[in-house]
Amino acid sequence: GAVVSQHPSRVICKSGTSVKIECRSLDFQATTMFWYRQFPKQSLMLMATSNEGSKATYEQGVEKDKFLINHASLTLSTLTVTSAHPEDSSFYICSARVSGLDYGYTFGSGTRLTVV
Amino acid sequence: QKEVEQDPGPLSVPEGAIVSLNCTYSNSAFQYFMWYRQYSRKGPELLMYTYSSGNKEDGRFTAQVDKSSKYISLFIRDSQPSDSATYLCAMSDAGNNRKLIWGLGTSLGVNP
Repeated sequence: GAVVSQHPSRVICKSGTSVKIECRSLDFQATTMFWYRQFPKQSLMLMATSNEGSKATYEQGVEKDKFLINHASLTLSTLTVTSAHPEDSSFYICSARVSGLDYGYTFGSGTRLTVV
Repeated sequence: QKEVEQDPGPLSVPEGAIVSLNCTYSNSAFQYFMWYRQYSRKGPELLMYTYSSGNKEDGRFTAQVDKSSKYISLFIRDSQPSDSATYLCAMSDAGNNRKLIWGLGTSLGVNP
């Protein structure tokens, strides 16, 4: 149980285009979703926290107009990278806190974004 | 100083060895402590979590938390090649969203 399905797993896009990443909670309701970014051989960097039905809270230094987060339902949160640039190439991971899962967080499988 | 310090390694051990992974932290408000395993190009997988101080054991894995020293450990007994991965510690306080603060991750290789 407590699975988060993240799609796509890999995407290549051209500079200037937008890319949408979806995370769906399959068997539970994700009230809060966390979006991370991870560079090679580095730890996870929290980008933003989204709560269902309200605006996302962005971490310092993360451009909210560039990384649009929508959490319109309890089972779906999306991250849209707008006007992508090569420096946006990274591994993006979503995570949801699951009540009753020993306080654990469940993670999506990640999206490898390459901007060319 | 980072809130959570973790030696990135890499750490290389022979199969069957006992592995010790550690993190130190500076924020005394942290109450929840977790260890995650991450295989290459995959999302992290929760291995162990501990609330406050103490030990927790699950199969070959043991997690220890020493809040007085602000030090947490993960021990892996009888390590297997399939344990080769990056191990990340994460912790949080008891706030509303319980934002996780992550260590850098330690890369572990278990050689057959």
